[in-house]
Amino acid sequence: DAGVIQSPRHEVTEMGQEVTLRCKPISGHDYLFWYRQTMMRGLELLIYFNNNVPIDDSGMPEDRFSAKMPNASFSTLKIQPSEPRDSAVYFCASRPTGGSYTFGSGTRLTVV
Amino acid sequence: AQTVTQSQPEMSVQEAETVTLSCTYDTSESDYYLFWYKQPPSRQMILVIRQEAYKQQNATENRFSVNFQKAAKSFSLKISDSQLGDAAMYFCAYSGTYKYIFGTGTRLKVLA
Repeated sequence: DAGVIQSPRHEVTEMGQEVTLRCKPISGHDYLFWYRQTMMRGLELLIYFNNNVPIDDSGMPEDRFSAKMPNASFSTLKIQPSEPRDSAVYFCASRPTGGSYTFGSGTRLTVV
Repeated sequence: AQTVTQSQPEMSVQEAETVTLSCTYDTSESDYYLFWYKQPPSRQMILVIRQEAYKQQNATENRFSVNFQKAAKSFSLKISDSQLGDAAMYFCAYSGTYKYIFGTGTRLKVLA
């Protein structure tokens, strides 16, 4: 199993641009989570899905952020328009019911 | 709401010695899981050890063991025979039914 796959590994974009982060969970895992990691706030849960359905998006900071999971093998996190304060490492994680998280390697986003 | 507290921002240990990282949590739930994750400079989040709250026996994985005190809501990680490769950020995490809540992390330095 290749694990949870995130792309891109690094993203540098200009303020105001749209950014799309991608995640492929482990096959058979029915939960998918998006986290943001910053020095100031640590690891924050943004949103999670169960069987492709968004369950809790209360951590999404504002309307500029959106996430989708069109099928069991793919999810996106989109920021439009991006701002410098969105600079962070974004992690995707998946887990089976009753199991532990497996994290992707993260996307480091820099907004200049 | 559940909270996880790691009161040691940084710890140092001499190679081959033993070190203990502290974690406390707050919850009103009776059934939950606790975890320790390691994040090396590569930023990959790696599961170190997992503890089910209903189990009284402390979890052990090779050189890593926990001291789980349910009444005190304490969950410390002991690393024995520390190695240079143990140097990393360590995060304590709590999970109820679905999502994980992370502490702010402890940076562990291993001195040769």
